[in-house]
Amino acid sequence: AQSVAQPEDQVNVAEGNPLTVKCTYSVSGNPYLFWYVQYPNRGLQFLLKYITGDNLVKGSYGFEAEFNKSQTSFHLKKPSALVSDSALYFCAVRDIYGTASKLTFGTGTRLQVTL
Amino acid sequence: KAGVTQTPRYLIKTRGQQVTLSCSPISGHRSVSWYQQTPGQGLQFLFEYFSETQRNKGNFPGRFSGRQFSNSRSEMNVSTLELGDSALYLCASSLEWDGPYEQYFGPGTRLTVT
Repeated sequence: AQSVAQPEDQVNVAEGNPLTVKCTYSVSGNPYLFWYVQYPNRGLQFLLKYITGDNLVKGSYGFEAEFNKSQTSFHLKKPSALVSDSALYFCAVRDIYGTASKLTFGTGTRLQVTL
Repeated sequence: KAGVTQTPRYLIKTRGQQVTLSCSPISGHRSVSWYQQTPGQGLQFLFEYFSETQRNKGNFPGRFSGRQFSNSRSEMNVSTLELGDSALYLCASSLEWDGPYEQYFGPGTRLTVT
C-alpha cells in the first residue's frame, strides 16, 4: 500500500527566510509525486509534480521540490518566504505501477510566515 | 478555461436526511474524484470515476455513493445523514484516472448536519 507522511503539523518561518515543508512517501514501485496548497475556505491548488528525470522540480509561485529516491522524500522549498504563502500544504503520491492506484494525500502541514 | 465547479457551495441538513452534491469537471477532463475534508481526519478519499465507471473507492460506508454521467459531470449522494458527515466535500478532476496527471479541485461544498 502506498502512503505519504508529513511529519510537521506546522512550520513557522519569518518572511524573507527560506522555507522547507517535508514529505516522505512509501510506494511499492516508482512514484508520481505532487504538492498542493490550500488557502482558507478554498479547494486545493496544484503547485508542482515529479514524474521522472530532473530531481529538482519547479512549480508555481516560486516553489520548488527536490525528489530524493534514496531517502524517499519530496520536500517542498522556497528560497524566500512571503506572508501570503501562509496556507495548508499537502503532499500526494501515486504509484506508477499500481493498477487502479489512487492518489494518496498526506495529513497536511500548516505554513505560517510572519513579518 | 473554466475550473471545477461544485454546487451547492453550502448546505445545512438534518440528521437522517439525504443530500446530493454536484460537480462539473474542467472541460476535457474525464476523471472525477471526491474527497471529504474534516479538521480531525484531514483529507479522505471517497471515490474516483472515469468513463462513468467507479475506478477506486475509499473506506466509507455504503451511505456514500456516487455516479458519473456521459458528459463527465459527477454527483455524490449521502443517505441517512449523521452529525459526523459534517465536512467540506471536495471534487477534483483530471485528464485521465491513472498516471501522472494532476488533479484540479473545486471550491468544495460545505455540508453541515444538525
